[in-house]
Amino acid sequence: GAGVSQTPSNKVTEKGKYVELRCDPISGHTALYWYRQSLGQGPEFLIYFQGTGAADDSGLPNDRFFAVRPEGSVSTLKIQRTERGDSAVYLCASSRFGANVLTFGAGSRLTVL
Amino acid sequence: TQLLEQSPQFLSIQEGENLTVYCNSSSVFSSLQWYRQEPGEGPVLLVTVVTGGEVKKLKRLTFQFGDARKDSSLHITAAQPGDTGLYLCAGALPDSGYALNFGKGTSLLVTP
Repeated sequence: GAGVSQTPSNKVTEKGKYVELRCDPISGHTALYWYRQSLGQGPEFLIYFQGTGAADDSGLPNDRFFAVRPEGSVSTLKIQRTERGDSAVYLCASSRFGANVLTFGAGSRLTVL
Repeated sequence: TQLLEQSPQFLSIQEGENLTVYCNSSSVFSSLQWYRQEPGEGPVLLVTVVTGGEVKKLKRLTFQFGDARKDSSLHITAAQPGDTGLYLCAGALPDSGYALNFGKGTSLLVTP
């Protein structure tokens, strides 16, 4: 597509529930990134994919967070047993291989009640 | 730990004024980027600087990378209401160039 698409744009859930957030990157971009932006903060790195594999998942806060990219295109960020502190905007970005030019999506705003 | 400190945090000015925002760190970066983010949108890349002392201009915006590659500044000349937004700097450390470290941002409001 023309840009990075993220769904849902808004998700409200209850504490303890499971959530999936989807990212559809720009066609042909092999690199995909997930960031988390809390209120009043800059984006915080979570995970980076090069193709299908997670090249760096050092930013994932704990084992409740997991991300996949099975076919090297669409990625899903999965959060188990959500907590109120998980409330944030989850941003996805993509880039061409070797290029440090990231195109961000509009984000998925997650609210955990 | 916040690697990049941005100042000021908030800035409200009138159309036509000049302004400078700063991005400082004690770490050395292989490159530094500036983004602008509007409410409900993702950050949009404005510029990438990679060489110490480098100056880049984008219309009324001037970006400078410090000689030691630890800091950067963004200067806007004759600000316009369309410049309103959150300005974020982001640095790539030499050993993990793909994982950008963002500052908290400078929220700029330009009133007519």
